[in-house]
Order: sequence, then C-alpha cells, then structure tokens
Amino acid sequence: EVQLVESGGSLVQPGGSLRLSCAASGLIFSNHWMNWVRQAPGKGLEWVANIKQDEGERYYVDSVKGRFTISRDNARNSVYLQMNSLRVEDTAVYYCTRVSSTLWRAFDIWGRGTMVTVSS
Amino acid sequence: DIQMTQSPSSVSASVGDRVTITCRASQDISSWLAWYQQKPGKAPKVLIYAASSLQSGVPSRFSGSGSGTDFTLTISSLQPEDFATYYCQQADSFPFTFGPGTKVDIK
Repeated sequence: EVQLVESGGSLVQPGGSLRLSCAASGLIFSNHWMNWVRQAPGKGLEWVANIKQDEGERYYVDSVKGRFTISRDNARNSVYLQMNSLRVEDTAVYYCTRVSSTLWRAFDIWGRGTMVTVSS
Repeated sequence: DIQMTQSPSSVSASVGDRVTITCRASQDISSWLAWYQQKPGKAPKVLIYAASSLQSGVPSRFSGSGSGTDFTLTISSLQPEDFATYYCQQADSFPFTFGPGTKVDIK
C-alpha cells in the first residue's frame, strides 16, 4: 500500500523548534519531489516547501524562509521539516505530499497530517 | 508570486444539481492547474490535473476546463458524497499556490 505517514507534531511555545518527519512506503521515494503543505484551523491549504529528488533544489513560501528547512533521506524513504523560531501563526495541520511526475506536478499522495500548535 | 482566486466561496446545492466553480490565476499558467477535494478531517484528494485530465478513480461527473488564467471545475450531477471543499492549485511556478477554496454544502 502506498502511504505517507507524518509524525512529530506537538504543542510548542512561540520561539521554539520542532522537527516533523514523513515516512514513505509502497513507492519509489527517490524518484519524486516532495512537499509540505499546511492548513491552519478552519482555513485553506498553504504550500510550505518542497525538495527535489537529490536535494539539489529546495523552495519555500516567503513566510517560512529563514526559519524552516526541508530535507530528505532517500535511504530511509523520509522527508523532514525542521521548524525554528515558531510563531503562533504557524499553528496548523502539516501534510506531507508527493509531487507526481506524471500528473503535471499535482500532489497525488497525501499523508494524514500532523498537528503543530504554537501557543504559550 | 501567482495569486489564485476562486468563486464562489460557497455554494448551496441539491443532489442532482450541476455545480460550477471558477478559478482564476493572476498570470498565465498554461494548463498547470490541479483541483482537489477535501472533506472535514481528511487530507485533500486530487480530482483533476493539467486543468482537464481526470485522475484515475475519480467519477466522470467531475470535469475541468480552461487554460491560461481562467479555469472551471464542474460537477455534472451532485452526489451526496460530493459535499466538500474544493481547491484549485497552480503548479506553474514556485511558490505553488492554492485558491482559497469553495465549500459545497447541502441546500
């Protein structure tokens, strides 16, 4: 079964750090760009970051540049999101997604998400 | 950055109705557009890619059209399982951006 499973979400104080992980199974992980997408409570979807197969390219939404770092370990079929200097507005469900190489870059596989709450 | 807008923000419809959702990009994105469906508490699911291609397993009552800056998602005959929120997303250039969503609920 093809799946992505996120972990690492929790309650953290403003200014704190957190590292999210996403483990892939049932797919050739190293063949694909991977994304993080987030959704604040009651709000819409926001693309956060993505990373190329060989880590040679990484892109971020402006609001997280300099604070978040996306990385991957193809040997472990995993992608990570290191989040530093967290703000209240980073509170969201964070989804790991695959960028399809055949569906015109659509996000064809999603994890169930992990909740990050930034609050004092 | 490319801005995506959607209209309407919400629509009330009945089973069997035809529903059309519009998405507009702030600049030409060719056909680099996908549509997603999200139900409460669940991850989104891709319905349409390349503006008009139906993802495998998605019912044929869903269709997409458009190119450039203007796109539509049509549900030809709304079914009970289609009540959800729908998002468009451009994949032309980084940062990939989503529209604000359209909630389809029961009339």
